[in-house]
Amino acid sequence: DIVMTQSPDSLAVSLGERATINCKSSENILYSSNKKNYLAWYQQKPGQPPKLLIYWASTRESGVPERFSGSGSGTDFTLTISSLQTEDVAIYYCQQYYNAPYSFGQGTKLEIK
Amino acid sequence: EVQLVESGGGLVQPGGSLRLSCAASGFTLSNYWMHWVRQAPGKGLVWVSRINSDGSSITYVDSVKGRLSISRDNAKNTLYLQMNNLRVEDTAVYYCARGSHWFDTWGQGILVTVSS
Repeated sequence: DIVMTQSPDSLAVSLGERATINCKSSENILYSSNKKNYLAWYQQKPGQPPKLLIYWASTRESGVPERFSGSGSGTDFTLTISSLQTEDVAIYYCQQYYNAPYSFGQGTKLEIK
Repeated sequence: EVQLVESGGGLVQPGGSLRLSCAASGFTLSNYWMHWVRQAPGKGLVWVSRINSDGSSITYVDSVKGRLSISRDNAKNTLYLQMNNLRVEDTAVYYCARGSHWFDTWGQGILVTVSS
């Protein structure tokens, strides 16, 4: 089974500053035939279900602000929030869908410094 | 509006059973793979199971194999999770989610508490 590991576990960033969350998979999740990375990012606020932010490692879901971006390939991925806003306080999860059982990272809690 | 609404949760004793339902609206369920994802109190997300569009392909995480069973009734636009021989460690909020790969629509979640 593929294990997803996020770093850091928690992060405090000042308003307007950049936030960077890392996600590492235990196996390559780049599918060679279509050159796509089978990775998604979600945001979860307290008491709410997760919200899809990014899929195929770097494609923003419709309606997601441009300050959210995803990058990386193979086994190492990054979610970047270019200018942190108050409403971005949440827990962020990466998820691989390369192989079932699908798996999530343990989550990164993002707070305002 | 695309919506998923879970029901059927509650308090059950260890070894007991529950059946969760997930009612879909605003889209045609039969066009989508569906999943169950759970989240223990204060913990992270754990993928539980998936079922393809017509129900012919099903996968589970190892920890629930033989105890939880996913199914669907496309005519009723409803997804199910039959939960048998429940354990304390199955206590969680259970979400149904839509998608073949990533999950673009989630229900609000339903709490299942397994306790004596």
